[in-house]
Amino acid sequence: KAGVTQTPRYLIKTRGQQVTLSCSPISGHRSVSWYQQTPGQGLQFLFEYFSETQRNKGNFPGRFSGRQFSNSRSEMNVSTLELGDSALYLCATARGTNEKLFFGSGTQLSVL
Amino acid sequence: GIQVEQSPPDLILQEGANSTLRCNFSDSVNNLQWFHQNPWGQLINLFYIPSGTKQNGRLSATTVATERYSLLYISSSQTTDSGVYFCAVEFGGTASKLTFGTGTRLQVTL
Repeated sequence: KAGVTQTPRYLIKTRGQQVTLSCSPISGHRSVSWYQQTPGQGLQFLFEYFSETQRNKGNFPGRFSGRQFSNSRSEMNVSTLELGDSALYLCATARGTNEKLFFGSGTQLSVL
Repeated sequence: GIQVEQSPPDLILQEGANSTLRCNFSDSVNNLQWFHQNPWGQLINLFYIPSGTKQNGRLSATTVATERYSLLYISSSQTTDSGVYFCAVEFGGTASKLTFGTGTRLQVTL
């Protein structure tokens, strides 16, 4: 059974650009959530999607957005990149609510 | 606000030693999970344990929800146990919104 797949693994962008990250969940998992990990702030919740609907959102500016497709795959987008957006972005999936979360390997984003 | 505190922040063990990691949380939780982040950044789910005790090989975990803490036990540690251990809790609502602790960094030496 394939795990959570995130692409790309590494990204280098410059300030002002935008970026799209992708997450393919484990088969049968309908909940997809995104987290940002930085040395200073640790792991922080960005948002969660279930059946193509955003159910919850963390305390991040509107430049961070996401969506989920009918096959449960999810994308997150960051527009007008800032240096502080440099981080490891992790996707986590689960079958449903209050269930065990499984994480992908993450996308390491560097903003120059 | 909601807080998740882990102790100790850093731990160095010799191979074969046992250890206990602690997670304190400030409110009632819907679920609590323990994760291990390896040196390559991959987060592995060790336990889903909102209450009670579970064991998986050399690892076991206990959550006492009424007293708002959870413990992760590592026995006969191995170098592959090195990494950062995170406790994460969900305080309410219907979404998988986990609040992570700051982690315990474990180094197991030969």
